[in-house]
Amino acid sequence: SQQGEEDPQALSIQEGENATMNCSYKTSINNLQWYRQNSGRGLVHLILIRSNEREKHSGRLRVTLDTSKKSSSLLITASRAADTASYFCATDPGANSKLTFGKGITLSVRP
Amino acid sequence: DTEVTQTPKHLVMGMTNKKSLKCEQHMGHRAMYWYKQKAKKPPELMFVYSYEKLSINESVPSRFSPECPNSSLLNLHLHALQPEDSALYLCASSLLAGGYEQYFGPGTRLTVT
Repeated sequence: SQQGEEDPQALSIQEGENATMNCSYKTSINNLQWYRQNSGRGLVHLILIRSNEREKHSGRLRVTLDTSKKSSSLLITASRAADTASYFCATDPGANSKLTFGKGITLSVRP
Repeated sequence: DTEVTQTPKHLVMGMTNKKSLKCEQHMGHRAMYWYKQKAKKPPELMFVYSYEKLSINESVPSRFSPECPNSSLLNLHLHALQPEDSALYLCASSLLAGGYEQYFGPGTRLTVT
């Protein structure tokens, strides 16, 4: 079963708006990762946040992690039509363990 | 070079055929992975290789047979597949198994007829 559960399952916004996606998980983690997947393509790694970090930025992306609530959020600022994709959170327990993906969020950015 | 390549891009095979999927990376990563992804679903882990040794097999049917000939190459041999095995097969690599981001290839779209 999936470790991470994203919320909402689908999100539609206007270009220029911010998009916020949430992920909740159940067990302890070494790190949490966010990936993007364009339709029918491979996944692209966006950002990795370790369990001892609370916030991380990469360009227009901001990720937060609250280990006490077992939740993470991904904020995409000033969205573009090219951000239209599926976004997955994935939890990593650490060495020699597997990455477990959530069900994913479908983001549509209208031009 | 931060690319993972996969061949072929598309594959159509009958249930009695034998075929292989190939994956290659030249990033010096010592962990490589096979995932299966059905439409509108997340990737499901199939196998993990760490230092060219199989470290995780997620109870995958024996009609899927992985092989890691060296640290840069990963194969998935297919034999006697079923139509429900039709999916996108993704290869990924990471510096080490666990604790690092994974780099994914573009995938092989497999159709079993």
